[in-house]
Amino acid sequence: DAKTTQPPSMDCAEGRAANLPCNHSTISGNEYVYWYRQIHSQGPQYIIHGLKNNETNEMASLIITEDRKSSTLILPHATLRDTAVYYCIVRPLETGANNLFFGTGTRLTVIP
Amino acid sequence: EPEVTQTPSHQVTQMGQEVILRCVPISNHLYFYWYRQILGQKVEFLVSFYNNEISEKSEIFDDQFSVERPDGSNFTLKIRSTKLEDSAMYFCASSRDRGTQYFGPGTRLLVL
Repeated sequence: DAKTTQPPSMDCAEGRAANLPCNHSTISGNEYVYWYRQIHSQGPQYIIHGLKNNETNEMASLIITEDRKSSTLILPHATLRDTAVYYCIVRPLETGANNLFFGTGTRLTVIP
Repeated sequence: EPEVTQTPSHQVTQMGQEVILRCVPISNHLYFYWYRQILGQKVEFLVSFYNNEISEKSEIFDDQFSVERPDGSNFTLKIRSTKLEDSAMYFCASSRDRGTQYFGPGTRLLVL
């Protein structure tokens, strides 16, 4: 069942930061926020995940609000190759279903 | 960087035929998954596999589907009698634990 809400589409100028929001107001204390993306019909690509602290890796940053009801994925300098559908997924790690539920995501278009 | 690989990349089959889709998960991973994506639709979970048995499956994963880990490296999805509606991209994924799942590039199955 969908536990996240994302805008269906966004545009971003090449070289600018892309900020992709996600609402997960019913998130439980043991659920992590995961971000994946899918370029064309390729396999989903893992980007980043977090529990309550902000996280950064070589691909992106994840900002989670203090109440954990929403988060933002930040691509600091978007390139044309970042054009993809981005999925925000909440899931427990230790218990419960281990499958990923993909919603419809946000289609990010990076414009030259 | 280790990757999940899948073969074949494309498969065309006649309705009613059996197909086997193959995956080589990342070598030290213990959890294995199959997902599918019908053209233009969401990525859907099919089945997860751990410790040589199915740990979870979705409603899609009916008696026509089976999974197997025939040796220490391969993970297969068999569809016994394909139907037109089985046409989709099939993605294999693996994870070391119940955490991050890494996806392969997919097999595009077309049932005629």
